[in-house]
Amino acid sequence: AQTVTQSQPEMSVQEAETVTLSCTYDTSESDYYLFWYKQPPSRQMILVIRQEAYKQQNATENRFSVNFQKAAKSFSLKISDSQLGDAAMYFCAYRRLESGGSNYKLTFGKGTLLTVNP
Amino acid sequence: EPEVTQTPSHQVTQMGQEVILRCVPISNHLYFYWYRQILGQKVEFLVSFYNNEISEKSEIFDDQFSVERPDGSNFTLKIRSTKLEDSAMYFCASSGQGYSYEQYFGPGTRLTVT
Repeated sequence: AQTVTQSQPEMSVQEAETVTLSCTYDTSESDYYLFWYKQPPSRQMILVIRQEAYKQQNATENRFSVNFQKAAKSFSLKISDSQLGDAAMYFCAYRRLESGGSNYKLTFGKGTLLTVNP
Repeated sequence: EPEVTQTPSHQVTQMGQEVILRCVPISNHLYFYWYRQILGQKVEFLVSFYNNEISEKSEIFDDQFSVERPDGSNFTLKIRSTKLEDSAMYFCASSGQGYSYEQYFGPGTRLTVT
């Protein structure tokens, strides 16, 4: 079974600074997807960024980027120029690739609560 | 932008009562999911649904739970006899055809069992 581990229950960052959230995972699959979801106090789950395991290039979405190390099974999220609105719980998630399948369930880590200080 | 909607936003029920949580997935999506998040804990997969049948369910999804897509637009989760430990946030998600499509989550229903 796949597992996702987020070892930092809480992190804090000063506004405009950069912060990195860690995630490691365990799988025997060679192809899969990894995601970071943001959950603000409203509890809505919002997709931040995704990475396909078969792509060597790290994904980037504006101020959000990942450092994907496939051999180490590590998938960290870097938030640059942190803003007050970035304050939220961040979940790392894994999904099998399984083309032609009928179930693409997500396996989540326990989350990292990010505080942004003004 | 299309979005997944869920009703109600908050449901309070007494232990032993039946509840139905409703979701309207994005209209052209084919894969549907329910997840649960007990307060302060991680989001856990409950069940996936495709082609009008369950494709996978977790050990949490026991005989008290059922899902249905009654009319081609709604996707419901029924809990037959609620227990205190069913108190959680329940998220519905949907995704399009193919393995490359992201799951879009609804805003969740907070279920409180008293």
